[in-house]
Amino acid sequence: NAGVTQTPKFRVLKTGQSMTLLCAQDMNHEYMYWYRQDPGMGLRLIHYSVGEGTTAKGEVPDGYNVSRLKKQNFLLGLESAAPSQTSVYFCASSSTRSRELFFGEGSRLTVL
Amino acid sequence: GQQLNQSPQSMFIQEGEDVSMNCTSSSIFNTWLWYKQDPGEGPVLLIALYKAGELTSNGRLTAQFGITRKDSFLNISASIPSDVGIYFCAGPYTSSGSARQLTFGSGTQLTVLP
Repeated sequence: NAGVTQTPKFRVLKTGQSMTLLCAQDMNHEYMYWYRQDPGMGLRLIHYSVGEGTTAKGEVPDGYNVSRLKKQNFLLGLESAAPSQTSVYFCASSSTRSRELFFGEGSRLTVL
Repeated sequence: GQQLNQSPQSMFIQEGEDVSMNCTSSSIFNTWLWYKQDPGEGPVLLIALYKAGELTSNGRLTAQFGITRKDSFLNISASIPSDVGIYFCAGPYTSSGSARQLTFGSGTQLTVLP
């Protein structure tokens, strides 16, 4: 049972480059989320999705785009990476019947 | 989102000691959750609280939903080395939204010394 899987686990980018983080869940969950974690700041919600084909902005959405073309996948894109986007990114999912978020192992992104 | 203040930021304790940490909100919550994050992994839910005044245990962990609905407490009794990690409180992202969209405290880094 894989749960929530994120790829890649590590990535180094130069300023201005683009990239996509992929999140896949095998629990048939309706809701999916992208958070970023920075030292001393906890986890901050970037974007989320309440179902296939839908996305919404969270607390810190600027500089990121997302897509949910399939129920099991939630993609996070950076069109033009900036050093301020250096962070650890976590994907999570939850069902409509539970308040428990299941998190992936995280993706560490460094922007030089 | 809601503002959560979590304290202390870090704790160094001896194995076997009890631990207390707390979280306060700038607004009323209808749900409080406590998560633990081990190094290199994502957070995992420890305890969920849904009612003001509620006291819930999970093994050596006990959490309480404050009666003002603006605070919550987590206690760990008889700490062991595997308790090391970051503990986060979390609550609904919006005042009337479901807990599925969560806002997190800044975390308490716990170190257990042998």
